[in-house]
Amino acid sequence: DADVTQTPRNRITKTGKRIMLECSQTKGHDRMYWYRQDPGLGLRLIYYSFDVKDINKGEISDGYSVSRQAQAKFSLSLESAIPNQTALYFCATSWGQNQPQHFGDGTRLSIL
Amino acid sequence: AQSVTQLGSHVSVSEGALVLLRCNYSSSVPPYLFWYVQYPNQGLQLLLKYTSAATLVKGINGFEAEFKKSETSFHLTKPSAHMSDAAEYFCAVSVRSSGDKLTFGTGTRLAVRP
Repeated sequence: DADVTQTPRNRITKTGKRIMLECSQTKGHDRMYWYRQDPGLGLRLIYYSFDVKDINKGEISDGYSVSRQAQAKFSLSLESAIPNQTALYFCATSWGQNQPQHFGDGTRLSIL
Repeated sequence: AQSVTQLGSHVSVSEGALVLLRCNYSSSVPPYLFWYVQYPNQGLQLLLKYTSAATLVKGINGFEAEFKKSETSFHLTKPSAHMSDAAEYFCAVSVRSSGDKLTFGTGTRLAVRP
């Protein structure tokens, strides 16, 4: 089983819909992250969480929200999806400051 | 704020040839540097990391990178390319003052010709 699991793997939806992407991990890491990947732009940080009660905005948090339901679960929501949120979304975890991050396989999201 | 620049969005080499993927960083404090690889339909996988212990860092799959402070570079190399090395490679930087925030380069797609 994967250490960092993202669901769904693919999602197509319409403008204005609310969408939730889920991430769960079995690595026991406290730190979790959400990124989006766009061609030619690399990965950009949306939100990150150092523990259940510590959630922080990344560089592109507008239009997104998150929930850290437990140490192992971190979900990303798009309250009202728009087409420019079409991207590949990744969840990642790490065990400490400046340590390598471990990535899930991503969710490919298309908003029509 | 820290940043990384990857020179060349696409690199093509012949099988058996040297692989050189370039990364330059910008940071006002000592950086932590990482190389990640992304295969199709997969997440990013750590290749290697620099954390100031040694300037030449060896990673998985025969890759290595050398930290050169004077050149603010952290280029990734492999002596002999394999077909299985075809993927996208990302350089990333973090610094203590930024906590855990990784800043990624825009990526280099490596193609390996038979």
